[in-house]
Amino acid sequence: GAVVSQHPSRVICKSGTSVKIECRSLDFQATTMFWYRQFPKKSLMLMATSNEGSKATYEQGVEKDKFLINHASLTLSTLTVTSAHPEDSSFYICSRIGPSYNEQFFGPGTRLTVL
Amino acid sequence: AQSVTQPDIHITVSEGASLELRCNYSYGATPYLFWYVQSPGQGLQLLLKYFSGDTLVQGIKGFEAEFKRSQSSFNLRKPSVHWSDAAEYFCAVGEGYSSASKIIFGSGTRLSIRP
Repeated sequence: GAVVSQHPSRVICKSGTSVKIECRSLDFQATTMFWYRQFPKKSLMLMATSNEGSKATYEQGVEKDKFLINHASLTLSTLTVTSAHPEDSSFYICSRIGPSYNEQFFGPGTRLTVL
Repeated sequence: AQSVTQPDIHITVSEGASLELRCNYSYGATPYLFWYVQSPGQGLQLLLKYFSGDTLVQGIKGFEAEFKRSQSSFNLRKPSVHWSDAAEYFCAVGEGYSSASKIIFGSGTRLSIRP
């Protein structure tokens, strides 16, 4: 069964509002989780590494004030898209590393549409 | 910096025919290599991975991949495709072997199956 869940699976919001996406590790306490963004017909681009109890590490070009990441517990990381605009519309996917460090497990993704 | 190239954006093969999806990587050290499949509405699923040892790796669903260091390649193969194999396939390279190791994805190859 699934080991990483995301909520919601789909969200539509108005421009200027903020949206929070949750990523849960269901079977393993994950000190590190990852957030990706996938554009239509494109690859997954790593946005940031979420670290439990400390600040996230953002990839170059990703606005940290725009995409707020909180990893307050070992099983939950959240991504908040602040003041969303239509160009933020995308598919957001989270993942965590398995206990033996040799595989990442991915959530089913969240489709964000900003009107 | 590490990178992954999948030169084929879209491939169509007939059901029952053999398949090879190409993947080339750029990485300074010993790479950790993965193939993932993404079906519509579903999360990424790991098909197979290579860390060390035998360069021919067997995966799930009848897939295999061969690591060729001299060619910096990790091509995915299947001797006989099924209609259910239609999906997006991503080759990826992992930075390392720790709880914070990132994965860098290729741009993906969309596989269509001709009846």
